[in-house]
Amino acid sequence: GDSVTQMEGPVTLSEEAFLTINCTYTATGYPSLFWYVQYPGEGLQLLLKATKADDKGSNKGFEATYRKETTSFHLEKGSVQVSDSAVYFCALSDRSSASKIIFGSGTRLSIRP
Amino acid sequence: DTAVSQTPKYLVTQMGNDKSIKCEQNLGHDTMYWYKQDSKKFLKIMFSYNNKELIINETVPNRFSPKSPDKAHLNLHINSLELGDSAVYFCASSHQSGDTQYFGPGTRLTVL
Repeated sequence: GDSVTQMEGPVTLSEEAFLTINCTYTATGYPSLFWYVQYPGEGLQLLLKATKADDKGSNKGFEATYRKETTSFHLEKGSVQVSDSAVYFCALSDRSSASKIIFGSGTRLSIRP
Repeated sequence: DTAVSQTPKYLVTQMGNDKSIKCEQNLGHDTMYWYKQDSKKFLKIMFSYNNKELIINETVPNRFSPKSPDKAHLNLHINSLELGDSAVYFCASSHQSGDTQYFGPGTRLTVL
């Protein structure tokens, strides 16, 4: 069945460092891909998404490109801030799988001042 | 003007009790969900309703029963609470199944 695998955390970086959080997926159809972010004590919120191959989603300085050839959707940011400390979830939605969204296990990111 | 709201935010109760968590969305969405998040932040879907009809029912004990009185509400009732039910429960909604989901703030359930 469909699945999402993302790098295990926690990831700890210094402010202004470059961030990459890896995400790969398996899907039988042509899924949409998402990154959600969960700040401490809150629910998840959509960070960015891409609906077809080679699309790039971007928001708040974060970017991810839908790579069909490598089945990946890695999250990147050029210069992280303390306020980016959160748990990040990669997810996919495949209409051939009852259209439910499948989440990865989450990656906790901590940024040191 | 909260989009997805849940009550209560915190729920502490004894083993064996029955409790309910309520969820409401004012986004006009057709689909609503319940998720369970454990202490390691792993998120597991429990149920999904589309226009008041159950469309996803993952392997969840039948002590958990969702109820959707209308499209804007999806409540979760839990019978005979167990220690392992302690978790954060999130409600979410989307325009249609598979679309971007909007999450509520969560209900932290602690079973003593």
